[in-house]
Amino acid sequence: QVQLQESGPGLVKPSQTLSLTCTVSGGSISSGVYFWSWIRQPAGKGLEWLGRIYTSGSTNYKSSLKSRITISGDTSKNQFSLELRSVTAADTAVYFCARFMERRGLDYWGRGTLVTVSS
Amino acid sequence: QSVLTQPPSVSAAPGQKVTISCSGTRANIGSNYVSWYYHVPGTTPRVLIYDNNKRPSGIPDRFSASKSATSATLAITGLQTGDEGDYYCGTWDSSSREWMFGGGTKLTV
Repeated sequence: QVQLQESGPGLVKPSQTLSLTCTVSGGSISSGVYFWSWIRQPAGKGLEWLGRIYTSGSTNYKSSLKSRITISGDTSKNQFSLELRSVTAADTAVYFCARFMERRGLDYWGRGTLVTVSS
Repeated sequence: QSVLTQPPSVSAAPGQKVTISCSGTRANIGSNYVSWYYHVPGTTPRVLIYDNNKRPSGIPDRFSASKSATSATLAITGLQTGDEGDYYCGTWDSSSREWMFGGGTKLTV
């Protein structure tokens, strides 16, 4: 059974960088058929896709975040990471990592981690 | 404002049927596979439907979906109070090259 677990600081100061890691177990991020994704949900709002990384290292990002976001992978640790720079209060949200497969959608999700941007 | 448009809320009595629509464009729904997700805030979202109309194992056949041109519809029959929560459609947009969720629909039973 594939499991994903988000980890990282729960509090980030405005203008600083939010960094989260997703550790994958029960499956390899090196597998060639999956994209490894980040999604967030601000309080009281809907799900927002942030971006994804493929096995090859190629990435796709939400257009409005392209200047601030980087998703990277570490196959040796079976982890992938999210970096969001110059954060503001609007970046306060529960952040989820998830596995995506073409046609299967986002089939496995982490439990989510709350990140608050505040001084 | 999401590119995929869903009604903010729907409601129906236990045992009844409800449908949730998801309206998009040729660049997203019209060109790509649609999936549907169920989420109760504070829990892990889960996929209900993938590949436009297929159910993962463990999802009861009370849940079904269809796609037509630039829109998709999720149907839930035999409503139960445990079905309450937020439902999202999702698909890839070939124009912007990003995944997108609908704005979400809150179901009240």
